[in-house]
Amino acid sequence: GENVEQHPSTLSVQEGDSAVIKCTYSDSASNYFPWYKQELGKGPQLIIDIRSNVGEKKDQRIAVTLNKTAKHFSLHITETQPEDSAVYFCAASRGGSYIPTFGRGTSLIVHP
Amino acid sequence: KAGVTQTPRYLIKTRGQQVTLSCSPISGHRSVSWYQQTPGQGLQFLFEYFSETQRNKGNFPGRFSGRQFSNSRSEMNVSTLELGDSALYLCASSLDQSLETQYFGPGTRLLVL
Repeated sequence: GENVEQHPSTLSVQEGDSAVIKCTYSDSASNYFPWYKQELGKGPQLIIDIRSNVGEKKDQRIAVTLNKTAKHFSLHITETQPEDSAVYFCAASRGGSYIPTFGRGTSLIVHP
Repeated sequence: KAGVTQTPRYLIKTRGQQVTLSCSPISGHRSVSWYQQTPGQGLQFLFEYFSETQRNKGNFPGRFSGRQFSNSRSEMNVSTLELGDSALYLCASSLDQSLETQYFGPGTRLLVL
């Protein structure tokens, strides 16, 4: 089955800095890669996703890049703000009715 | 449109008891998935229902079961609770047969004493 590894487990940055979270996957058939943000006391919320036919996708301060050959994808957050502090999860899926496999999560702490 | 709702939000049980958790998906969504979230194991998939049929199942013992009703609401049941069942149980709904975009509820935090 699919295996997703996520690094780092904890990331501490100063407000205004950039943050990068990396994930690797094992199943070459995976073609859909969502990222979720989980704030304290809440369920994970989808923040951005990318499909295997796209190399990069941006949405304001967040972007995701995908390297299919190396089987890794990354989340980039620029100009971080304290409200970006949360746990971020990556996931990989074959799409369709296949259940996504989640990474272990990264706790991002943005210091004001 | 209302999001995914889960009840109860918090629950305390003792070993050996059983528990039933409820999930109401987003209106119109027909797929409901359940996950167990713990600090040590992350998000672990339990099972997924689509149109009242269990379509996917994770690697959990038979003590964990679920069902989905005709209105797409879902329940999961855990029998003979163990201390290790303490976790946040998350429900996620998807619009149709594709599980790509999942919308999560706030979860039910279960504590087993």
